[in-house]
Amino acid sequence: EVQLVQSGAEVKKSGESLKISCKGSGYNFPSRWIAWVRQMPGKGLEWMGIIYPSDSDTRYSPSFQGQVTMSADKSISTAYLQWSSLKTSDTAMYYCAAGNYQPDFWGQGTLVTVSS
Amino acid sequence: DIVMTQTPLSSPVTLGQPASISCRSSQSLVHSDGNTYLSWLQQRPGQPPRLLIYKISNRFSGVPDRFSGSGAGTDFTLKISRVESEDVGVYYCMQATQFPPIYTFGQGTKVEIK
Repeated sequence: EVQLVQSGAEVKKSGESLKISCKGSGYNFPSRWIAWVRQMPGKGLEWMGIIYPSDSDTRYSPSFQGQVTMSADKSISTAYLQWSSLKTSDTAMYYCAAGNYQPDFWGQGTLVTVSS
Repeated sequence: DIVMTQTPLSSPVTLGQPASISCRSSQSLVHSDGNTYLSWLQQRPGQPPRLLIYKISNRFSGVPDRFSGSGAGTDFTLKISRVESEDVGVYYCMQATQFPPIYTFGQGTKVEIK
């Protein structure tokens, strides 16, 4: 069974750093792109960027370039999304999704809450 | 940049009746490899999104056959032949025509029971 298991909910203060994770199992993790998707409260889906775990080739949406960093460790089948300085506007649910030309499998989501 | 526009944004439906959602892209979604990477996602309340349909009309594993996709070029449709209570949620079309895959989502269509 294919699974993407994300790290738990986080409560942070503005200016703090954060790294959340997405661990894949049940498939060849290095060979499928991992996308990160933001969903702000009550809103739609926003594509943040994508990483290929085999070689860490990464592309960012212009809206998120410079705001977040994506990485992956294929040896432990895990992808990461990190912030160096959170803003209150980063409060959202963050999903990882695995697939090539479509997101075949999704993680359960990580809720990030940032207060001032 | 490709823009995906869904209509309607809200669709109240009677149980057992059909529902239809349209999605239009601002440019052709035909990839250089000849495929059209247009997908449909379902997001039930409080759940992560789930892939329903990929490459316009292919149902993903485990998706009931009451869901069907059609279209070509820039105009696409998701149809639910007979809406069930478990179909309540928001439906998104999305495209990934470039390589590496860059996803663009539609705004979402909320399907609810009348």
